[in-house]
This record gives sequence, structure tokens and C-alpha cells, in this order.
Amino acid sequence: DARVTQTPRHKVTEMGQEVTMRCQPILGHNTVFWYRQTMMQGLELLAYFRNRAPLDDSGMPKDRFSAEMPDATLATLKIQPSEPRDSAVYFCASGLVIFRGAESSEQYFGPGTRLTVT
Amino acid sequence: GEDVEQSLFLSVREGDSSVINCTYTDSSSTYLYWYKQEPGAGLQLLTYIFSNMDMKQDQRLTVLLNKKDKHLSLRIADTQTGDSAIYFCAETPDSWGKLQFGAGTQVVVTP
Repeated sequence: DARVTQTPRHKVTEMGQEVTMRCQPILGHNTVFWYRQTMMQGLELLAYFRNRAPLDDSGMPKDRFSAEMPDATLATLKIQPSEPRDSAVYFCASGLVIFRGAESSEQYFGPGTRLTVT
Repeated sequence: GEDVEQSLFLSVREGDSSVINCTYTDSSSTYLYWYKQEPGAGLQLLTYIFSNMDMKQDQRLTVLLNKKDKHLSLRIADTQTGDSAIYFCAETPDSWGKLQFGAGTQVVVTP
């Protein structure tokens, strides 16, 4: 049963510390998305990749957030330095897009990383 | 941004039908989606409809699409307590797989 995995599931850290969240997309998927979910803002798209190349990271605060895909089996989202307003659940999702505009955009979500910054 | 709009809350009695409504803005969306999120979990794809269809049925789920009004609805027949969750509709604003989600509708099923 293929699924997206995320680590850690929970993270509590102090303001100013670096946080790294990891995601393993479903094998064979070529698009990876990072979302942040809060009660106030709902679900926000932070960044997404296709074939490991960043397509759009305009949703991400550039001064402290960075997203990378070192290889096809790993996506990372880093926050440095972290702030209390970064407290949220961070989701990774993956999907398979074959032909631009011709395929459905089904995304499969991981269980999320619940981040608390004190 | 709220390009996709949904009502925030729906209460329904067990056994009744639920209807969740959504309006979207991007008329070029190829597919429109419904996702379900249970407490403490990620979003789970429920169903989707291609933009040239006006209805899709999948067991207890029926999706209706009115392209003229940019209105999407999800009907759940014989609603069960396990259907209590947040339901998100989503459109496809670009061709690279990006989704634009609504704020979600919290569905509470009462016995």
C-alpha cells in the first residue's frame, strides 16, 4: 500500500532553532507539494516541485524557509530560525503529472508534521 | 486566497443525505476535487470530476458540476458517523498539478 511518509510526526522546539521536516513521496510520483495548515489561514501551498525542480515557492517566506529535493525519494522543508507564528501542521503531498494539462492532479497526502514553536 | 468558497459548517443526522456546496473561480480547471480530512490526519482524495461532465456517482457519493455557475457539490447518501470530517473542494488553477483548496466544510453527523 503506497503512501507518503513524513517525519517527524510531532516537533516541539524553541524560537530561534532550526527545524527540518522530511517527506518521502510515493515511488514513481514526479510532483511534490508542501502545505501548511492553521486554523486561521486554512491550507496554504508553500512550494511544489516537479521532477525535483522547484516550480513555485511563492507561498513560502523566503527569509527563513527553504525547500529542497536532494533526490527523488526525499523532500525537505527547513525553517531557520523558527518563530512561534510558524506553529502549524505541515503536509507533504505527492502526485503524478504526465502531460501538462492532460492528466488529473490527484495528490496523495502524508500524515503531517505538527510543529509547535515556543 | 479564497478563490474557492465553501460554507464552513454542516450538521446532519445519521441516515440523512448531506450536501456540501462549493463555488470556484477558474473556468479553465480541468478537474475538480473533493478531499476528506479526519481529525489528526492528512487529506484523503474522495473523488474528482472531469470538467466536461456534469455528474459523477461513486457508491454513496454523488458529485454535481454546474460549469456555467462554477458550482460544485458533493452529496453523501445515508450519512454515517464515520463521515464526520472536514471536506475540501479544490480546483486546478494551472496545468502542473497545483490545487487551490477551499477553506473546508466541517460536517458533523449526529445520531
